[in-house]
Amino acid sequence: NAGVMQNPRHLVRRRGQEARLRCSPMKGHSHVYWYRQLPEEGLKFMVYLQKENIIDESGMPKERFSAEFPKEGPSILRIQQVVRGDSAAYFCASSQPGLGGEQFFGPGTRLTVL
Amino acid sequence: GESVGLHLPTLSVQEGDNSIINCAYSNSASDYFIWYKQESGKGPQFIIDIRSNMDKRQGQRVTVLLNKTVKHLSLQIAATQPGDSAVYFCAEKGAGGTSYGKLTFGQGTILTVHP
Repeated sequence: NAGVMQNPRHLVRRRGQEARLRCSPMKGHSHVYWYRQLPEEGLKFMVYLQKENIIDESGMPKERFSAEFPKEGPSILRIQQVVRGDSAAYFCASSQPGLGGEQFFGPGTRLTVL
Repeated sequence: GESVGLHLPTLSVQEGDNSIINCAYSNSASDYFIWYKQESGKGPQFIIDIRSNMDKRQGQRVTVLLNKTVKHLSLQIAATQPGDSAVYFCAEKGAGGTSYGKLTFGQGTILTVHP
């Protein structure tokens, strides 16, 4: 059973470009979470999604950031018009349905904005 | 706002010693806590969890202690090995409503094990 997959693992963008980060949850998992990690800091929650629904986006910046988890295909975290402050590691986690499901993390996408 | 573990301390130990990693949390309503291990370039890996109705839980070579009175968690690693070198995070899981899946992480502790 493959774990959570994220791609690309490394992404370099220039200021003003768009970044698209993809996350494929573990088989059987319908809940996806995105977290951001700045250097030498803990992970910060961004958004929690179920298939075709955003459940909690309280950690998402109000502008330029969006997330989706379509009925088919991976979850996408999209960052428009990237700035240097967006440089970070972005982790996706997935869990089974139901309260208290353990979250399994992917290897992360390291975004560098030049 | 709520927060968990606001420091990034480091801990250096000799192989074979026991390690104790500490974490403070501020949300007294928290009812579920998790310890994660993160190796360089990888995502967090679940180690052990504990619910607020417990004060101790043991796994293989690891023990988590919860002191709700002072809002403090600790992770004890017995007979620490070089492979235990990593950053360790405590996390609190949101309880209730739409935030129940949300994890709030501390900043982590860097554990270095010397052979």
